[in-house]
Amino acid sequence: EDQVTQSPEALRLQEGESSSLNCSYTVSGLRGLFWYRQDPGKGPEFLFTLYSAGEEKEKERLKATLTKKESFLHITAPKPEDSATYLCAVQANYGQNFVFGPGTRLSVLP
Amino acid sequence: GAVVSQHPSWVICKSGTSVKIECRSLDFQATTMFWYRQFPKQSLMLMATSNEGSKATYEQGVEKDKFLINHASLTLSTLTVTSAHPEDSSFYICSAIAGVGNEQFFGPGTRLTVL
Repeated sequence: EDQVTQSPEALRLQEGESSSLNCSYTVSGLRGLFWYRQDPGKGPEFLFTLYSAGEEKEKERLKATLTKKESFLHITAPKPEDSATYLCAVQANYGQNFVFGPGTRLSVLP
Repeated sequence: GAVVSQHPSWVICKSGTSVKIECRSLDFQATTMFWYRQFPKQSLMLMATSNEGSKATYEQGVEKDKFLINHASLTLSTLTVTSAHPEDSSFYICSAIAGVGNEQFFGPGTRLTVL
């Protein structure tokens, strides 16, 4: 069974304090790993897709990396507006469905 | 990125009534759309996969007669919650697949409250 876990469950950072969020997955053939940001009361916003181990993608203060078992979302010098829940999802080669992790609630304090 | 809209944004209804939620892909065609349910401070729970022109595929435990899904065109999928009860109150989110990258783009969600 495909599974996705994320850690930590919640993270509080001071503005400018860099950190990383973890997404560990088990899937029988990875088609893609996806990162989303979700603000309260809104739908998730697409951030990145990673397809193969070793791949990295960056967008502003965010950088996503992928290995065969996990992905990291690195946040460099975060700002309060980066506060949100970050969701990780995987899609297997054999199907259409996406399996989501429980998310990491990030709070960046000014 | 691709834009997905949902309507309504929020709805309050009486127990026993039916509610229809629309999901539209505004600037692309989506052969596949997904419907999710999300409880407070929890992640997304996939309810069903909707493919244009065919019957939806429901996840285990999701009642297909209660949550009717129609994907009549490449830009529109609807979710009808039939005979809604308070336990159906939740945040319902749709998404659509766009492009060859298989990226999934989400609508803004619909907050359903059943009194």
